[in-house]
Amino acid sequence: EVQLVESGGGLVQPGGSLKLSCTAYEFTFSKYWMNWVRQAPGKGLEWVANIKQEGSEKYYADSVKGRFTISRDNAKSSLYLQMNSLRVEDTAIYYCARARTAAIGMPRIREFDYWGQGALVTVSS
Amino acid sequence: DIVMTQSPDSLAVSLGERATITCESSQSVLYSSNNKNYLAWYQQKPGQPPKLLIYWASTRESGVPDRFSGSGSGTDFTLTISSLQAEDVAVYYCQQYYSTPPGFGPGTKVEIK
Repeated sequence: EVQLVESGGGLVQPGGSLKLSCTAYEFTFSKYWMNWVRQAPGKGLEWVANIKQEGSEKYYADSVKGRFTISRDNAKSSLYLQMNSLRVEDTAIYYCARARTAAIGMPRIREFDYWGQGALVTVSS
Repeated sequence: DIVMTQSPDSLAVSLGERATITCESSQSVLYSSNNKNYLAWYQQKPGQPPKLLIYWASTRESGVPDRFSGSGSGTDFTLTISSLQAEDVAVYYCQQYYSTPPGFGPGTKVEIK
């Protein structure tokens, strides 16, 4: 069964750093674009960042650009999100999500077919 | 960036009745080369991650009950629940994946009347 399991969430002070991990099970991790999506308490979904299969392309939401870094280790079937200079407004559940593979020559990603259970990040003093 | 909007913000429907949610994108998400609309619908129940319901605007994900259907093209889309069941209480989000950032609509909360 395909599974995505996030870890690394917690409480951090404003200006601090945190690194999230997402470990993938029961699929060939290296074949998929991977995403981070967050959801602030009681709010909607916000896409945060994504990374191409081999890691050569990375994209970020404007709200996190320059502060967050997405990376992956295909040998460990793992996705990461390094979060620096954290702000109160970064408080959210962070989900990792798999994007289905797009056909060559088509827009780079497709719909998100599997999601993890999420990791809660709380930024507060 | 493509901006997604949804209406209504919430709706209450009687069990067995139809629920209709609309989603609008600020630019067309129809890709001319393959004639596909890059639009998905997700269902999120309290305390759970989102679940994919519909992709390509109208293709039901495997295992999704056929009371869920998607329609529309270009910039205007609809998610219909033909006969609302108690387990359909959730927030529903549309998402475009035509371009980066792959943004979501603000969500529509569906409740039982």
